[in-house]
Amino acid sequence: KAGVTQTPRYLIKTRGQQVTLSCSPISGHRSVSWYQQTPGQGLQFLFEYFSETQRNKGNFPGRFSGRQFSNSRSEMNVSTLELGDSALYLCASSLEVGTDTQYFGPGTRLTVL
Amino acid sequence: GENVEQHPSTLSVQEGDSAVIKCTYSDSASNYFPWYKQELGKGPQLIIDIRSNVGEKKDQRIAVTLNKTAKHFSLHITETQPEDSAVYFCAASRDGGSQGNLIFGKGTKLSVKP
Repeated sequence: KAGVTQTPRYLIKTRGQQVTLSCSPISGHRSVSWYQQTPGQGLQFLFEYFSETQRNKGNFPGRFSGRQFSNSRSEMNVSTLELGDSALYLCASSLEVGTDTQYFGPGTRLTVL
Repeated sequence: GENVEQHPSTLSVQEGDSAVIKCTYSDSASNYFPWYKQELGKGPQLIIDIRSNVGEKKDQRIAVTLNKTAKHFSLHITETQPEDSAVYFCAASRDGGSQGNLIFGKGTKLSVKP
């Protein structure tokens, strides 16, 4: 069974631009969570989607948003990029919401110049 | 909210020795504790997890112990090998439908010297 896939793997943007990242969960998984990983803050939860609904949200500004499609694929969007948004963005999928095991993708490395 | 502390931040061992990484959590309602291994350029990979109704779980050279009273859990790796070198993260979360997000520790960089 294929794992979690994320596209693109690398992205370079400039301040003020917006970016959209994509995540395809493991086949059959219906829950997708997004995390931001930086050297200073570590791994921080962004949001969780299940059945096209946002179920939980972390402590990030409204510039960070996401959505989930009927096939469970998910996208996250960051508008008005800031230098501090440079990070590895990780997507994780699980069968259901709650404390089901989460499996991570390889991440998208975003660099904001 | 939940807070997870992880120690040590770096750990260096000789091949064949054991390695122990410890985490403490603050939310007594947390009931799920996974451990992830992250190699350079890759996403975190689940290596073992434990739920609060179990005190210990073992998978070959890897074991995790949980002390609910003290609110801490530990990862034990025996007979370490160079390929065990990576960053290890502990995490905690709790049931409740919308409470499933993982709260991670800051990570432990494990180096296994041949």
